[in-house]
Amino acid sequence: DAGVIQSPRHEVTEMGQEVTLRCKPISGHDYLFWYRQTMMRGLELLIYFNNNVPIDDSGMPEDRFSAKMPNASFSTLKIQPSEPRDSAVYFCASRYRSYNEQFFGPGTRLTVL
Amino acid sequence: DAKTTQPNSMESNEEEPVHLPCNHSTISGTDYIHWYRQLPSQGPEYVIHGLTSNVNNRMASLAIAEDRKSSTLILHRATLRDAAVYYCILRDLGGGADGLTFGKGTHLIIQP
Repeated sequence: DAGVIQSPRHEVTEMGQEVTLRCKPISGHDYLFWYRQTMMRGLELLIYFNNNVPIDDSGMPEDRFSAKMPNASFSTLKIQPSEPRDSAVYFCASRYRSYNEQFFGPGTRLTVL
Repeated sequence: DAKTTQPNSMESNEEEPVHLPCNHSTISGTDYIHWYRQLPSQGPEYVIHGLTSNVNNRMASLAIAEDRKSSTLILHRATLRDAAVYYCILRDLGGGADGLTFGKGTHLIIQP
């Protein structure tokens, strides 16, 4: 298995621009999670999906953030407009049913200037 | 999810055993104890989990206190590759919350 795939691995953009992060979960996994990691706040859950349906988005910081999962093999996290405080590493993770192990992708390092 | 307490950092020598402690005094009966680790510049990876009994796998062992208020992750023979941040996480399988709540973890330093 290729594991969870995220793209791009690095993104540098300017304040006010739209940013789209992409994730391909492990085939067959029915849960998909988006996390954000910063020095100040550590790793925090933003949103998760089950069978492509958003279940809990209480961690999404603001309306500038949105996430979609149009099918079982693809999800996006969009920030519009981006701000410097959005600079962080964004991780996507997937899991099969309620089995305990979450598999994380390599992350996207976002820098907003 | 219930709160866990871990030391900020620990240091050990290569090829020696490492015992990483975790306190979770408010653990509930349906909380599983999970350990993840994050190697430098990588995403977290699953290490081990347990409920009441001690658990072993190819990566590590998990020793759970009889009252379940604490647990210890044991790396039997640390290598330089084990240098990482180790997170102890409680997950309530009875409550339906599916995401992981990460604390600050323990930064494990391995000396050659």
